[in-house]
Amino acid sequence: DGGITQSPKYLFRKEGQNVTLSCEQNLNHDAMYWYRQDPGQGLRLIYYSQIVNDFQKGDIAEGYSVSREKKESFPLTVTSAQKNPTAFYLCASIQTGSQPQHFGDGTRLSIL
Amino acid sequence: DAKTTQPNSMESNEEEPVHLPCNHSTISGTDYIHWYRQLPSQGPEYVIHGLTSNVNNRMASLAIAEDRKSSTLILHRATLRDAAVYYCILRDYGNTPLVFGKGTRLSVIA
Repeated sequence: DGGITQSPKYLFRKEGQNVTLSCEQNLNHDAMYWYRQDPGQGLRLIYYSQIVNDFQKGDIAEGYSVSREKKESFPLTVTSAQKNPTAFYLCASIQTGSQPQHFGDGTRLSIL
Repeated sequence: DAKTTQPNSMESNEEEPVHLPCNHSTISGTDYIHWYRQLPSQGPEYVIHGLTSNVNNRMASLAIAEDRKSSTLILHRATLRDAAVYYCILRDYGNTPLVFGKGTRLSVIA
């Protein structure tokens, strides 16, 4: 079945450490997105990519970085500059706006 | 970004129909109306979407007002598994990001 795979499901970060969250899709979608969700809140956009080798900042990009070297992969790095990284991170993809957006099951990041 | 307005919360009895409203008075002619829902500790799940005509699928129905300034998501028989936050989102035909508001938290009472 086609879908989006996020890994790991749970991730722990030490102070001052960078961590990378994986997002892979086999839907052949051009556009991919990263969202952050804090407890009891809605989703906020971190970064998005509409095509390979191109990406744009979302509303809360500070302290995060991404790459889009392959169509199926859009990893998110949470850098040490992100002072409050504890959150639920969701990856999504879409082909066109007239079609449904697909989401992964998320990665829950916590600080040790 | 086009904006939507939804009630913060709603409650329904199990096996009763549920009508979740959404106002979007500034909708443009090319905006699709999307509905997603998010169960606890999961990613959002697509429910339904439409442009002008009412839409039905196995999960729900979407009723769109004639002027397109409001819409209603209809769950025909609520079950406990339908308890979730429901998001109404406008999106044009391109692949610009979905913008999530706070949604409506639906509680289903057994």
